[in-house]
Amino acid sequence: GQNIDQPTEMTATEGAIVQINCTYQTSGFNGLFWYQQHAGEAPTFLSYNVLDGLEEKGRFSSFLSRSKGYSYLLLKELQMKDSASYLCAVFYNQGGKLIFGQGTELSVKP
Amino acid sequence: EAGVAQSPRYKIIEKRQSVAFWCNPISGHATLYWYQQILGQGPKLLIQFQNNGVVDDSQLPKDRFSAERLKGVDSTLKIQPAKLEDSAVYLCASSLDRQVNEKLFFGSGTQLSVL
Repeated sequence: GQNIDQPTEMTATEGAIVQINCTYQTSGFNGLFWYQQHAGEAPTFLSYNVLDGLEEKGRFSSFLSRSKGYSYLLLKELQMKDSASYLCAVFYNQGGKLIFGQGTELSVKP
Repeated sequence: EAGVAQSPRYKIIEKRQSVAFWCNPISGHATLYWYQQILGQGPKLLIQFQNNGVVDDSQLPKDRFSAERLKGVDSTLKIQPAKLEDSAVYLCASSLDRQVNEKLFFGSGTQLSVL
C-alpha cells in the first residue's frame, strides 16, 4: 500500500507556530503536495516539494526528507482563518497517482 | 480563468437509487480525477483520465460505479445502485497534464447523502 500518515487533529493558539507532520511510503515517491481544506470547501494548493529541504512561501513553509519519507508543514503567526484541514498528498510515479493522507484538522484558538 | 465546475452541489437519494455527477475541468487540462471524500477522511482516488482514456480505475467499485469522459473534456460519474456507505463528497479535479509537478485544481464537490 501507499500509506500516508498524519495526525488526526491539532490545536494551536492565535499568533503561535504549528508544525504538521506527514510520513509516507518512499517506494515510487515522486513529489509531495500540501493542500488546505476549509469545512465544506474544495482543497486548495499550498505547496509542493520534490527535493530535500525547506520551501518557504509567506507564513507557510514545507520541508521534505526523501530518505526518511517525511515532510512537515510549518505555519507561522497563526490566524483564526487558518483553522482548516491540512492534507498531505504524495505523487507516486506508478500511474502518476496523487494519493492523499487522512488530513489533519487544525483548530486555532484565541 | 474559470475553475473546475461540478454539479449538482448537493444530492439526497434513497439506497438502491441511481445518481450521476457532472464535472467540467479547466479549459485545456488533459488530466481529470474523481475523488471520494468521506467525512473526516482525506480524498480517495476513484478514477483518473488522461484526455478520454482511463489511466487508473483500480479503486473504483466497478459493480456499481462508472465514469466516462467521452470527448476528453467534461466527465460524468454514476452510481447505480447507491448504498448507504456511498454517502460522501465527490470531488472532481483537473491538471494540465499527468506530470509529477502539476498541481491539481479541485471543484467544489457534490455532497451525496444516501438514506
